[in-house]
Amino acid sequence: EIVLTQSPTTMAASPGEKVTLTCLASSSVNYMYWYQQKSSASPKLLIYYTSILASGVPDRFSGSGSGTSYSLTISSMEAEDAAIYYCLQLTSTPRTFGGGTKLELK
Amino acid sequence: EVQLVESGGGLVQPGRSMKLSCAASGFTFNNYDMAWVCQAPKKGLEWVATISYDGSSTYYRDSVKGRFTISRDNAKSTLYLQMDSLRSEDTATYYCAREPLFNYWGQGTLVTVSS
Repeated sequence: EIVLTQSPTTMAASPGEKVTLTCLASSSVNYMYWYQQKSSASPKLLIYYTSILASGVPDRFSGSGSGTSYSLTISSMEAEDAAIYYCLQLTSTPRTFGGGTKLELK
Repeated sequence: EVQLVESGGGLVQPGRSMKLSCAASGFTFNNYDMAWVCQAPKKGLEWVATISYDGSSTYYRDSVKGRFTISRDNAKSTLYLQMDSLRSEDTATYYCAREPLFNYWGQGTLVTVSS
């Protein structure tokens, strides 16, 4: 099973601040997928195939990485970005999610 | 508009069974693999199972193998999760999601396993 480790577990950012979240895989994966979950809502796809922005997602979000190291960047934090972010690998079964990063507004 | 609507959750005693449904609309259901993902209270997301577009292949996480069965009825555009021998640790909100990108999710249905 590929284990995904997200860091930090929790962080706070001020409006306008650049934010970088990381996801490390225990084995190499082909792509990484990123999801945002607010309160008790359903997860929302942000990034697929490591760096492609999902439809309707603001372009302040971007993704990068390869192999075992991936990141999600918010170029300029906005209040609406406060949420929990999860990475997901689909390279092998079982599909696995990272433990999540809780991003708060400072 | 793509819609996934789960139903069937509720309170169930340990050891009993429950069947969840996910009604799909707004897309050609039999073109897509589908999945169930769960989230225990205040915990992260966990993939549960996936079924291929035609139902010929199924995949499960180890903790539910032999207890849960994923199935689909393409004529009814509906996905199912039969959960048997339920345990307290199965308590979670269960989401159905469309593969391969998990870009569409239902609103979730809460399953509480407790005596």
